[in-house]
Amino acid sequence: NAGVTQTPKFQVLKTGQSMTLQCAQDMNHNSMYWYRQDPGMGLRLIYYSASEGTTDKGEVPNGYNVSRLNKREFSLRLESAAPSQTSVYFCASSEKGDLPFSNTEAFFGQGTRLTVV
Amino acid sequence: KQEVTQIPAALSVPEGENLVLNCSFTDSAIYNLQWFRQDPGKGLTSLLLIQSSQREQTSGRLNASLDKSSGRSTLYIAASQPGDSATYLCAVSLVRDDKIIFGKGTRLHILP
Repeated sequence: NAGVTQTPKFQVLKTGQSMTLQCAQDMNHNSMYWYRQDPGMGLRLIYYSASEGTTDKGEVPNGYNVSRLNKREFSLRLESAAPSQTSVYFCASSEKGDLPFSNTEAFFGQGTRLTVV
Repeated sequence: KQEVTQIPAALSVPEGENLVLNCSFTDSAIYNLQWFRQDPGKGLTSLLLIQSSQREQTSGRLNASLDKSSGRSTLYIAASQPGDSATYLCAVSLVRDDKIIFGKGTRLHILP
């Protein structure tokens, strides 16, 4: 059981280049998330998708776009990379139950370390 | 807007001591609260998940409590060991919009 898989693990981009970070989960979760982590900042939510076909902005969406390709896959795109987007990016998935019943924990990928020079 | 605060930001304690990490949140309408551990340069390891209907969860030397009405959670680590040194993050899952919001973490250093 792979859980949440992110690719690539490392990437170096030049300013202005574009790239797509890929994320796939095999737990049949409806909800998927993209975060960035910078030193001392915890994890900040970029975008999330509550279900297939829907996406919503998080705390720091500027400079990013997302696609919920299907229930398994949620990609993050940088159209024109900037040095301020140098960060570690994490993808996650979870499932919501109907209250008052329990819902599942969030599972995270191993991260993508992106450097923009 | 949900805000999650973790205090202290950093903590150093001698090996063997019991310790408490704190997490507070402003919106009590949560599905659950989750505690994670993160080692330097690594991903997140889930430690404990507390559902909104629960008061506490235990795993080995770890005990997490949740008081939704006051917007607080604590992570208690018993008999700390050098291997417990890491950053500990709490995250809340919101009812209203499906977001999961993190605190900035507590960086824990256990002194041998």
